[in-house]
Amino acid sequence: DAGVIQSPRHEVTEMGQEVTLRCKPISGHNSLFWYRQTMMRGLELLIYFNNNVPIDDSGMPEDRFSAKMPNASFSTLKIQPSEPRDSAVYFCASTTFVGSLSYGYTFGSGTRLTVV
Amino acid sequence: AQTVTQSQPEMSVQEAETVTLSCTYDTSESNYYLFWYKQPPSRQMILVIRQEAYKQQNATENRFSVNFQKAAKSFSLKISDSQLGDTAMYFCAFRSQGGSEKLVFGKGTKLTVNP
Repeated sequence: DAGVIQSPRHEVTEMGQEVTLRCKPISGHNSLFWYRQTMMRGLELLIYFNNNVPIDDSGMPEDRFSAKMPNASFSTLKIQPSEPRDSAVYFCASTTFVGSLSYGYTFGSGTRLTVV
Repeated sequence: AQTVTQSQPEMSVQEAETVTLSCTYDTSESNYYLFWYKQPPSRQMILVIRQEAYKQQNATENRFSVNFQKAAKSFSLKISDSQLGDTAMYFCAFRSQGGSEKLVFGKGTKLTVNP
């Protein structure tokens, strides 16, 4: 398996523009997570999906952020309009559960977003 | 809400020596999972080791082992025979067995292995 695939790897955009980050989870994984990493706040969970359904979006900072998972193999995180304080590395991760057993969470390589 | 604390922002060790990274957590649950992730300069998050709280035996993966003290809510990572490639940020993470599936991370420890 190719692992969790994120695109783009780097994104530089101007303030006010729309930004869309993409993620393809590992085939067969039924849970998908979006994390944001900054120096100040560390790794924060933004939202996670289980079987394509959003379960917890309490970490989404404001209405400018939205996430979708239209099918089991694709998810997007959109920021509209973007602001300089959104600059961070955004990670997607996926995992699967068998009953209550949790296996390792596999992370993508992340998207480094810079808003100027 | 669960919290994870890593009290050592930075550490260094000489190549071939042993180093221990500390992690404590706060939870009222009795069943959960604990993880250590490594993030090298490439920024890839790599799972190093995992521990189920119901298991008394400490997890081991090659040169990496943990000291899990459930009563003290402590989960330290020991790296033996340190190698230059171990230089990275190390994150401790917690996940409930029931309820939320999310990983809660500590702030991380930056480890440098010196030649």
